[in-house]
Amino acid sequence: DIQLTQSPSFLSASVGDRVTITCRASQGISSYLAWYQQKPGKAPKLLIYAASTLQSGVPSRFSGSGYGTEFTLTISSLQPEDFATYYCQQFNSYLSTFGGGTKVEIK
Amino acid sequence: QVQLQESGPGLVKPSETLSLTCAVSGYSVNSNYYWGWIRQPPGKGLEWLGSIYHSGTTYYNPSLKSRVTMSLDTSKNQFSLKLSSVTAADTAVYYCARSGYCSSTTCSFDYWGQGTLVTVSS
Repeated sequence: DIQLTQSPSFLSASVGDRVTITCRASQGISSYLAWYQQKPGKAPKLLIYAASTLQSGVPSRFSGSGYGTEFTLTISSLQPEDFATYYCQQFNSYLSTFGGGTKVEIK
Repeated sequence: QVQLQESGPGLVKPSETLSLTCAVSGYSVNSNYYWGWIRQPPGKGLEWLGSIYHSGTTYYNPSLKSRVTMSLDTSKNQFSLKLSSVTAADTAVYYCARSGYCSSTTCSFDYWGQGTLVTVSS
């Protein structure tokens, strides 16, 4: 199985901050990585797919990068509505897996 | 606009079979997409359970493979999940979703249902 390790697992930040979340894969997954945002009691929302392609309707302050085993999600200027939990997902293999999540809270 | 809605019992007894249906509107399940199930135990992370293609091809999480079955009902434009021999560890919010960008096997998911909580308890 391909394991995804997200860091940090918890992040405290202020509105306007630049935030970066990392997702490391236990083996190479090309660019078959997606990022999701989840708010309490809601379904995950797709932000980024193919490692760096912004899903339609997602604000441009979100960006993704990486290839192979190391990936990042960046929020260029954190907004109040961005406080949530973020998950990465790999879909390179017959078994798709998610990272453990990064909770972004207000400082 | 694609919409997905899960339905099924909210309480299942241990050793019984969990059965959920996902009704799809705004898009045909008999189209060139995968349709998937993902679950999330209370307070925990996400787990992909499996996906089914319009042709009936399925990919299942190996950790559940012997217990999980997915099917499509094109006449009702819905797809279903059955998970047998459930235990308390299967208690979770279950989401259905439509595939987005895919590799040759599995996919990201661009449209999700709101989720339904299934509790396994006697």
